[in-house]
Amino acid sequence: NAGVTQTPKFQVLKTGQSMTLQCAQDMNHEYMSWYRQDPGMGLRLIHYSVGAGITDQGEVPNGYNVSRSTTEDFPLRLLLAAPSQTSVYFCASSPSGKSYNEQFFGPGTRLTVL
Amino acid sequence: DAKTTQPPSMDCAEGRAANLPCNHSTISGNEYVYWYRQIHSQGPQYIIHGLKNNETNEMASLIITEDRKSSTLILPHATLRDTAVYYCIVRVANSGNTPLVFGKGTRLSVIA
Repeated sequence: NAGVTQTPKFQVLKTGQSMTLQCAQDMNHEYMSWYRQDPGMGLRLIHYSVGAGITDQGEVPNGYNVSRSTTEDFPLRLLLAAPSQTSVYFCASSPSGKSYNEQFFGPGTRLTVL
Repeated sequence: DAKTTQPPSMDCAEGRAANLPCNHSTISGNEYVYWYRQIHSQGPQYIIHGLKNNETNEMASLIITEDRKSSTLILPHATLRDTAVYYCIVRVANSGNTPLVFGKGTRLSVIA
């Protein structure tokens, strides 16, 4: 199993540009989520999904969109990039049920918005 | 989810046991204790979890007090690669659609 994969690893955008951060998992996990981590800070939840076709907002959803058309993929879209969105983005997945809290995290995407 | 309290930082000599404490005095009977760590620039990594019995796996041991108000994560022979931020999280096992919340954790520095 590849686990949780994220692409790209690094990205530089200009203010106002849009892009999609990709996240995929091959463990047939129902739950997937996106976090951002700013320098010296903890992780903050952006959006999450409890299954295909179901998404919900986390703590800091503004400026981001998500969709979950398949179990495997959970892309995160930045609509109009702003310097405040400079951060490291982590995707995570886990099974439902009793193993829900044993989450697998991807390696992260480091995004800089100029 | 019950609130947890961890020291902001700790040092440990390489090869010695690292004992990371966590207080969770308001823990409920059906809440588990989960430990994660985050090595610099990497995604968080699940380590271990437990309800009331002590647990051990290939990475660490988890000791939970009898009253369940505190716990200790033990890395038996710390190496430089164990330098990371360690997070203690308390929540019910089947948490449905409520996401994990990471606090500030304990920054463990393993020193040669």
